[in-house]
Amino acid sequence: EAGVVQSPRYKIIEKKQPVAFWCNPISGHNTLYWYRQNLGQGPELLIRYENEEAVDDSQLPKDRFSAERLKGVDSTLKIQPAELGDSAVYLCASSSTALYGYTFGSGTRLTVV
Amino acid sequence: DQQVKQNSPSLSVQEGRISILNCDYTNSMFDYFLWYKKYPAEGPTFLISISSIKDKNEDGRFTVFLNKSAKHLSLHIVPSQPGDSAVYFCAASARGTGNQFYFGTGTSLTVIP
Repeated sequence: EAGVVQSPRYKIIEKKQPVAFWCNPISGHNTLYWYRQNLGQGPELLIRYENEEAVDDSQLPKDRFSAERLKGVDSTLKIQPAELGDSAVYLCASSSTALYGYTFGSGTRLTVV
Repeated sequence: DQQVKQNSPSLSVQEGRISILNCDYTNSMFDYFLWYKKYPAEGPTFLISISSIKDKNEDGRFTVFLNKSAKHLSLHIVPSQPGDSAVYFCAASARGTGNQFYFGTGTSLTVIP
């Protein structure tokens, strides 16, 4: 079984530029999460999808962040414009509703310079 | 407001000895707990879980203990092996929150050969 796939693995951009991250969850997993992990911290939830519906986006900074999950499978997370403080690892995770806990991808390490 | 706390940022243990990683939480509604292990440049991987109806769960060398009255859980690794060197995160969830887990800041374990 393929795991959660994220791309790119690394991204370096200048501040004020846009950036997008892509996630392909485990096949059959209805729930998809985007987490952000700052250096020395634990992952913090940005948004949770149940199929194609964003059911919890309360922690997503909506002025510059957006996300979508078309057809309830792949998802993209976008930042526009990026700020220096957005430098972090962005983790995607997925789970089946029958399971508790979830599987993470390898993450995208974003550096904003 | 950090609902899950891991107060030891790092821990060093000799190979073959016991590693004990601690985690405290503040939300009494949390009823399911996970431990994740993370190697550099990889996403966190699920290690072991425990439900609030239990006070202990064991899986091979890994045992998680839950003390609900103290809002404390611990992960014991016996015997510790060099391959166990990683960052360990505990995570907690409350029933009805849609499988949303709150993560601690992690403890970096180094097992010395």
